[in-house]
Amino acid sequence: TQLLEQSPQFLSIQEGENLTVYCNSSSVFSSLQWYRQEPGEGPVLLVTVVTGGEVKKLKRLTFQFGDARKDSSLHITAAQTGDTGLYLCAGRLLQGGSEKLVFGKGTKLTVNP
Amino acid sequence: DAGITQSPRHKVTETGTPVTLRCHQTENHRYMYWYRQDPGHGLRLIHYSYGVKDTDKGEVSDGYSVSRSKTEDFLLTLESATSSQTSVYFCAISESYNYEQYFGPGTRLTVT
Repeated sequence: TQLLEQSPQFLSIQEGENLTVYCNSSSVFSSLQWYRQEPGEGPVLLVTVVTGGEVKKLKRLTFQFGDARKDSSLHITAAQTGDTGLYLCAGRLLQGGSEKLVFGKGTKLTVNP
Repeated sequence: DAGITQSPRHKVTETGTPVTLRCHQTENHRYMYWYRQDPGHGLRLIHYSYGVKDTDKGEVSDGYSVSRSKTEDFLLTLESATSSQTSVYFCAISESYNYEQYFGPGTRLTVT
C-alpha cells in the first residue's frame, strides 16, 4: 500500500503554462517535504511545511499543506524549461510506535520550450 | 550545497561478488541514510545511522549491511550481489531524524 500518492504521474506542458501537482494520503503527517530531482542527480530539498494550512512560496513555486495535514500541493506559475524534473513529496509520520519518512513515487514534469 | 559525496558513481559487478559503496559528508550531520531508487518503487530506505556505530534497518534491508566508524563515513555493503540489487543508490544526511534530508549524487550499480 502506497502511503503517499502523487498525481499526476507524468505531466508535459509548454513553457509559460501554470500547473499543480498533488500529494495525497489518508495518514496524518507531522511535516511534509518537497524535493526536485534532475536526471542523474540526487533529490534536492525545496521546502518543508509543518503547520496545517501552511503556504510557502519559493519564487514561482507555491506549496500548500492541507488543513488536516494529510495532503499537499505544489503550484508552479509560468513554468520554465528549468523546472523540468521529478518532483517528490515525503511525509514524516508516526506508525507502529516508530517514526518514519515515506516518499511518494513522484511526478515527472517536462516543460517544453 | 551540502557536502556529500558518493563513490563510486558507477559500478558494474557480477552476481555473487561483494560490493561496498561509500558515502562521505563534510556537514557533521548526525543522521545518515542509504536509499535505493527503482522505477515503479520510488525511494526506499535500506539502512540508516543515528551515530557512530549506531545503525538500524529500513524497509528493504535484506542482503545489505552497513557500517559507520566515523561521523563522516557511511558504508553500504552487498555481501553477495544479486541482479535484483541493480539500482541507483543514494546516500542522504540530516541534522534531525527523518527531517530535511540532503542527498548525494547517487551510485548506479549494475549486477550482471
